[in-house]
Amino acid sequence: NAGVMQNPRHLVRRRGQEARLRCSPMKGHSHVYWYRQLPEEGLKFMVYLQKENIIDESGMPKERFSAEFPKEGPSILRIQQVVRGDSAAYFCASSRLGVRPRNGYTFGSGTRLTVV
Amino acid sequence: GIQVEQSPPDLILQEGANSTLRCNFSDSVNNLQWFHQNPWGQLINLFYIPSGTKQNGRLSATTVATERYSLLYISSSQTTDSGVYFCAVRLRGSRLTFGEGTQLTVNP
Repeated sequence: NAGVMQNPRHLVRRRGQEARLRCSPMKGHSHVYWYRQLPEEGLKFMVYLQKENIIDESGMPKERFSAEFPKEGPSILRIQQVVRGDSAAYFCASSRLGVRPRNGYTFGSGTRLTVV
Repeated sequence: GIQVEQSPPDLILQEGANSTLRCNFSDSVNNLQWFHQNPWGQLINLFYIPSGTKQNGRLSATTVATERYSLLYISSSQTTDSGVYFCAVRLRGSRLTFGEGTQLTVNP
């Protein structure tokens, strides 16, 4: 009974390259949430998606960042033309009911992006 | 938006000591969770506790929703308890708002 799976665990990109982060939700979950943790800070909400639909992207930077959750396959967080300030840990959570998971949200192990 | 404040920001303990971590929030919430982020960066869900008291081994948590605070108790601390403890709340909708965390170091 796998939990939320994120890959890769670590990702190194040069400035200007693209980063693609993947999140596979728990079995039976159709809602995915992405959070970003900058060094020495708490997690900050980025985007909430259900399959084939973005519900809330109010925490997503307006430029260079995009997210999708296709009908088949994992959710993808895409960062174009990465800059050093994008270096952070990116976490994903999933839920079945969307708004009120009965036992709270469970997070994946995160992807640590380093931009050199 | 909702404000979440955690205290203390840093805490150093000797193994075997007890501690209390606090989380204050600025509005009524529908969801409150405590997480432990271990030194490897993994985020572990400790408690889902929008109100009341729960216990799990050496850890327990109490949320007094009407007074807008939650407490996490760690008894007989161990070195493996080291890491950052986060409180996160949900007001409406689906997003969680995290506090800045308490960095706990337990020395042998």
